[in-house]
Amino acid sequence: SQTIHQWPATLVQPVGSPLSLECTVEGTSNPNLYWYRQAAGRGLQLLFYSVGIGQISSEVPQNLSASRPQDRQFILSSKKLLLSDSGFYLCACNRRNSYEQYFGPGTRLTVT
Amino acid sequence: DQQVKQNSPSLSVQEGRISILNCDYTNSMFDYFLWYKKYPAEGPTFLISISSIKDKNEDGRFTVFLNKSAKHLSLHIVPSQPGDSAVYFCAASALSGNQFYFGTGTSLTVIP
Repeated sequence: SQTIHQWPATLVQPVGSPLSLECTVEGTSNPNLYWYRQAAGRGLQLLFYSVGIGQISSEVPQNLSASRPQDRQFILSSKKLLLSDSGFYLCACNRRNSYEQYFGPGTRLTVT
Repeated sequence: DQQVKQNSPSLSVQEGRISILNCDYTNSMFDYFLWYKKYPAEGPTFLISISSIKDKNEDGRFTVFLNKSAKHLSLHIVPSQPGDSAVYFCAASALSGNQFYFGTGTSLTVIP
């Protein structure tokens, strides 16, 4: 079965600082990869998904970006954080032709 | 535009009774539906799913019902246990896409 690693678990960053969150997947090859954000009291908002190395689709316009430099590595970045970027960030994956997504443990980001 | 909706943000149920969590969707192209359970500060975990060719799927204490004509699904938990207390998300996907659409979640509290 798949295992998803995310780090760091918690992060406190000042407004205007850069961001880099990393996600790696074990136990499967060529997965679909996803970044979600759960803001306080809100549902899961899909930010980016990727079906292959270097292939990124963005769902919501924002000051965040994503990259997939390797098959099982997915990175979420920002050049300058906003207060509204605070939230719980989740990385997820699913096998091709499978509907079941598996989620990582998440990163709690607080922008101050 | 929220394509998957969970109109009840919270639900309280006595231990041993039935918990019914509801979910509505708007996109008739969705053909697979999933329920996830999420504890605070953790990633969601897959609970149960149903394909649009079925109207019921059962797994132990958990049963999901799908009413395609009403674009409505529900999750039944019988009997409810205190350990079931968590936030439950429903999600939907279409065969032709790689995207999953999540509801805003329902916080279930099972009272001992």
